Amino acid sequence: EPEVTQTPSHQVTQMGQEVILRCVPISNHLYFYWYRQILGQKVEFLVSFYNNEISEKSEIFDDRFSVERPDGSNFTLKIRSTKLEDSAMYFCASTSPGQGAVNEKLFFGSGTQLSVL
Amino acid sequence: AQRVTQPEKLLSVFKGAPVELKCNYSYSGSPELFWYVQYSRQRLQLLLRHISRESIKGFTADLNKGETSFHLKKPFAQEEDSAMYYCALRRHNQGGKLIFGQGTELSVKP
Repeated sequence: EPEVTQTPSHQVTQMGQEVILRCVPISNHLYFYWYRQILGQKVEFLVSFYNNEISEKSEIFDDRFSVERPDGSNFTLKIRSTKLEDSAMYFCASTSPGQGAVNEKLFFGSGTQLSVL
Repeated sequence: AQRVTQPEKLLSVFKGAPVELKCNYSYSGSPELFWYVQYSRQRLQLLLRHISRESIKGFTADLNKGETSFHLKKPFAQEEDSAMYYCALRRHNQGGKLIFGQGTELSVKP
């Protein structure tokens, strides 16, 4: 089965620095998502992306966060001016084209553990 | 606001025992409910979706709108079922935006 790939698996950064988390969604998917999970807490939706624009974002996704699909294959999450509370596991996900419907199955990446020191 | 509650953080059973992982939700519309599973060191993957009314790896889940529940059940647990289980809700036609519960760690002892 095709997989969503995320790199790196672990990223350590200093508070205030910028990080870019990278994802390669499944090749024919058109809907892309970022979720995060702070240790011991729920998996939380951050943002959805379709047709080269954000379709929905959560309160967590403040103006320090941005997403882009720079080259038709990668899907990146950038966090500027990182804070300690950004430390979490970040999951990328994608889903099949032309759906957004009840049978939609999300395919998740294995996650990037971000540690902000 | 939509919310998904999984009251048990950890459920420990012996192999062959029945398992029920509880999930309750709060949503005023018609929800779409899912169970995702995460085995050790692996990615989150879809286990069940209520719309399909399927049985996967012996697990079933029935949506009970009266009780706003979507409990996951299996009559005879196996050691390989040990994993984190997440119940998730999607609002109707909301694409891939899922609202997850806290997760329940299932531990099946030999």
